[in-house]
Amino acid sequence: DTAVSQTPKYLVTQMGNDKSIKCEQNLGHDTMYWYKQDSKKFLKIMFSYNNKELIINETVPNRFSPKSPDKAHLNLHINSLELGDSAVYFCASSPYPSGGPDTQYFGPGTRLTVL
Amino acid sequence: QKEVEQNSGPLSVPEGAIASLNCTYSDRGSQSFFWYRQYSGKSPELIMFIYSNGDKEDGRFTAQLNKASQYVSLLIRDSQPSDSATYLCAVNPDQAGTALIFGKGTTLSVSS
Repeated sequence: DTAVSQTPKYLVTQMGNDKSIKCEQNLGHDTMYWYKQDSKKFLKIMFSYNNKELIINETVPNRFSPKSPDKAHLNLHINSLELGDSAVYFCASSPYPSGGPDTQYFGPGTRLTVL
Repeated sequence: QKEVEQNSGPLSVPEGAIASLNCTYSDRGSQSFFWYRQYSGKSPELIMFIYSNGDKEDGRFTAQLNKASQYVSLLIRDSQPSDSATYLCAVNPDQAGTALIFGKGTTLSVSS
């Protein structure tokens, strides 16, 4: 059983295009996140949603728009893709604010390449 | 700016040795601390978390936390070639549910 899943796994596209990445978790968690890992492997938060509400929005270009239709899903839409958007995008979830340790579980990642 | 610092390595140890990975963080109010392992091309995988000062052991892994020194470490005993990966230190700066701040990772290489 996959806990946190993402689609697609690989995405290759041209500059200027619009693309979406989907994430789903079956852990029953209330909070979901999008992280970006650049070519130097540095992992940085982009967005966080708690039960469909945006709670963290880091300094990210407004070309990036997250959407959470329900607490098990968090999608990321990117408009007008640029070369610098090439990275691996990880979705994660955590049980906050429910009980238990606030550990975050990561999806397999989506490798985005912008040509 | 809240930061988490790690030596990028590579840290090379022979099979069976103890690998020691270190991490410092800037926000004194940080509450929880995590170690993730990331194999090349894979997603971060949680190894351990620690909240209280002192040591926490889980199998071959021991996490150590010293909040006064703002220092977290991970010891891997009896290192195996399969432990070769990048180890990411992550800090939750203030409360549960906020995003983790990650260090840039230390690459560990265990030679057989």
